[in-house]
Amino acid sequence: QVQLQASGPGLVKPSETLSLTCTVSGGSLNDYSWSYIRQPPGKGLEWIGHVSFSGNTDYNPSLRSRVTISIDTSKSQFSLKLSSVTAADTAVYYCARLKPDIWFDPWGQGTLVTVSS
Amino acid sequence: QSALTQPASVSGSPGQSITISCTGTNHDIGSYKLVSWYQRHPGKAPKLIISEVIKRPSGVSHRFSGSKSGNTASLTISGLQAEDEADYFCCSYAGRSTYIFGRGTTVTVL
Repeated sequence: QVQLQASGPGLVKPSETLSLTCTVSGGSLNDYSWSYIRQPPGKGLEWIGHVSFSGNTDYNPSLRSRVTISIDTSKSQFSLKLSSVTAADTAVYYCARLKPDIWFDPWGQGTLVTVSS
Repeated sequence: QSALTQPASVSGSPGQSITISCTGTNHDIGSYKLVSWYQRHPGKAPKLIISEVIKRPSGVSHRFSGSKSGNTASLTISGLQAEDEADYFCCSYAGRSTYIFGRGTTVTVL
């Protein structure tokens, strides 16, 4: 049974870079893509982007200039970097497995990242 | 990309049926049979309950069903139970390997 667990700092200063890593256990990273999704307080879910097992990426157009998602198959991990953060980037961040075009499943527990000085 | 439109809340009594709508545009829901629904209990990770508009993953209750008409997708929960109290999110493929989610609907069992 595939499980995902995100980790990273819970507090990031404005203008700095938010970094999260998602560790996948119980299955291979092959044949799927791997995604980050977030939910700001009081708002809906927002797809951030995803990386394929081969390293190809796609990003939300609204975040593309600030986002980098990478994968390390040897460590069963994929990572998110979001640069130049502001308070608007405060959110619960989820990682999830993506069957391209079809579904996100399973999801990690979610980790709250607060942008504040 | 604006979020898909869902009602903020829906409620029903045990045993009743409720339907949650999810409205998009002809660039997402209207163009693809690729709508999925997710259930999230407080403090828990979202769980896939419907994919490709109507498909129910193994282990998901038959009380959950999906449909789509035009730019609007719907999730119906039949025989409402206390355990169905949760947040529900819709998601649609939006072309060019992008995805759009709904704002979420809180289901309350009265």
